[in-house]
Amino acid sequence: DTGVSQDPRHKITKRGQNVTFRCDPISEHNRLYWYRQTLGQGPEFLTYFQNEAQLEKSRLLSDRFSAERPKGSFSTLEIQRTEQGDSAMYLCASSLGGGTTDTQYFGPGTRLTVL
Amino acid sequence: GDSVTQMEGPVTLSEEAFLTINCTYTATGYPSLFWYVQYPGEGLQLLLKATKADDKGSNKGFEATYRKETTSFHLEKGSVQVSDSAVYFCAPWGSARQLTFGSGTQLTVLP
Repeated sequence: DTGVSQDPRHKITKRGQNVTFRCDPISEHNRLYWYRQTLGQGPEFLTYFQNEAQLEKSRLLSDRFSAERPKGSFSTLEIQRTEQGDSAMYLCASSLGGGTTDTQYFGPGTRLTVL
Repeated sequence: GDSVTQMEGPVTLSEEAFLTINCTYTATGYPSLFWYVQYPGEGLQLLLKATKADDKGSNKGFEATYRKETTSFHLEKGSVQVSDSAVYFCAPWGSARQLTFGSGTQLTVLP
């Protein structure tokens, strides 16, 4: 049974560099979510996809952030011109959308450190 | 928007003690309610859920009952173990179509 996977698990970068993270959802799941979690806080919603369509974006998602989900399978989250405030754990979750509820399964996260 | 208030931590208990972590929420519509657990350095694991009033979610000895009248979903376990040490998050999922998390409750269980 393969759950949600994320790559890389850790990323250290210098301020101003671009970074890209990948998320592979559970294979039959059509919804994919990105969250950001800073130390001592709960995850905050960033964006979500239904298949390949990006249906919602948080106001937290500045124009330096972009997410894609080509062909409705894996997703990438890119941060351009990283800032120290971007240091956080980036979590991906997937779900089998539809119906009146939505049970999300999370990956292990990518921890980003911006120096 | 949706919001959640959790019992502030950290909570420290001895092994085999009874655990309650309080959670109250505000949400539009009729949300589903979830508890997730996070071990150090890891992502979130689904612990249990409930989708309608008076439903009881349960897993690994943990239980929580959806109380619509008090907008609460308190987590309980009758006898905690050292391996239960983690951060616990309550989250509603409603018309906002996203999970809304509080800051979580850190639980430490001492042998």
